Amino acid sequence: AQTVTQSQPEMSVQEAETVTLSCTYDTSESDYYLFWYKQPPSRQMILVIRQEAYKQQNATENRFSVNFQKAAKSFSLKISDSQLGDAAMYFCAYSRIQGAQKLVFGQGTRLTINP
Amino acid sequence: EAQVTQNPRYLITVTGKKLTVTCSQNMNHEYMSWYRQDPGLGLRQIYYSMNVEVTDKGDVPEGYKVSRKEKRNFPLILESPSPNQTSLYFCASSSRQETNYGYTFGSGTRLTVV
Repeated sequence: AQTVTQSQPEMSVQEAETVTLSCTYDTSESDYYLFWYKQPPSRQMILVIRQEAYKQQNATENRFSVNFQKAAKSFSLKISDSQLGDAAMYFCAYSRIQGAQKLVFGQGTRLTINP
Repeated sequence: EAQVTQNPRYLITVTGKKLTVTCSQNMNHEYMSWYRQDPGLGLRQIYYSMNVEVTDKGDVPEGYKVSRKEKRNFPLILESPSPNQTSLYFCASSSRQETNYGYTFGSGTRLTVV
């Protein structure tokens, strides 16, 4: 069974600085998808960024980028120029490609932005 | 607007009183799922459906039922709720062709069972 681990329950960063959230996963599949979701206090689950495992290039979305290390099964999220609106719970998630009817989530990391 | 609509947003009930949480999506998605979110555990899948009349258990199905009679609706039924089902529940949907884009989530239902 696939598992996802986020080892940092809480992180904090000064506004305008850079922070990296860690995620590791375990799978025997060679192709799969990885995602980072943001959950602000509104509870809404918002897709931040996604990575397809067969693509070697790291995904980027504006201030958000990932460091995807397939061999190490690591998928960290870097947030540059942190803003107050980035404060949220962040979840790393994994999905198979074949029979992709389930997301496997990590435990979550609560990110605090200090003004 | 493309969305997943869950109701109610908050629900407090007593042990043993049957309840239904509704979920509806307007994107013609084949895949729908229910998750529960608990502190320190992330989100865990309860049940999923790959299409109308096709449902299967996820990782934590005990105490829950689902049905998929129409493509857009996927209600979650707790026939005899217990306090350990107090949690935050999410419905999510995805297109079978576009699972690489992730799932669209509803806004969540905070359930308290006393």
